[in-house]
Amino acid sequence: DAGVIQSPRHEVTEMGQEVTLRCKPISGHNSLFWYRQTMMRGLELLIYFNNNVPIDDSGMPEDRFSAKMPNASFSTLKIQPSEPRDSAVYFCASSLSNAGLSPDTQYFGPGTRLTVL
Amino acid sequence: RKEVEQDPGPFNVPEGATVAFNCTYSNSASQSFFWYRQDCRKEPKLLMSVYSSGNEDGRFTAQLNRASQYISLLIRDSKLSDSATYLCVASLNSGYSTLTFGKGTMLLVSP
Repeated sequence: DAGVIQSPRHEVTEMGQEVTLRCKPISGHNSLFWYRQTMMRGLELLIYFNNNVPIDDSGMPEDRFSAKMPNASFSTLKIQPSEPRDSAVYFCASSLSNAGLSPDTQYFGPGTRLTVL
Repeated sequence: RKEVEQDPGPFNVPEGATVAFNCTYSNSASQSFFWYRQDCRKEPKLLMSVYSSGNEDGRFTAQLNRASQYISLLIRDSKLSDSATYLCVASLNSGYSTLTFGKGTMLLVSP
């Protein structure tokens, strides 16, 4: 089985440009998470979808960040306009939720390493 | 103050050594706990869950102390392949709960 797929794996862009990160969760999983990881702040949850509906977006830094999940097999995280402080590794993770009875094992994708110059 | 705190290390140990990491969590309502492992430039992967009674998986033992709000991971007979960053994770486990990750403890096992 393919695991969580993310693209691109690396992205280098200039300040002010729009960046779109993509994620395909594991087939059958109904929860999807976007994380950002930096040396300074560690791994931070940005947004969480359950059955394609955003449940918790309190981690989204500001209006420049937006995320969508148009169907069960695809999600995007968009940054517009991008800034150098957005440079980080962005991970997507998915899980098969049991409706909160217990935390579910999250399976992470390989990440997108974003550099904003 | 971060909700889950860990000593960043690195912990440098020789092969065969026993090493222990601790982590503390600030939210006393946290119910479930985990250790994830992250290799250099790779994604985090679940290593093991942490149960109140303590649990063991081969060379790895995890313990939870709710009174003191800390979690530990003990690795016996360290292997070179154990070199990685170990992330401590807490969850409220209520409704649509999410995971809160510590920043990780780096372990380097040398020959």
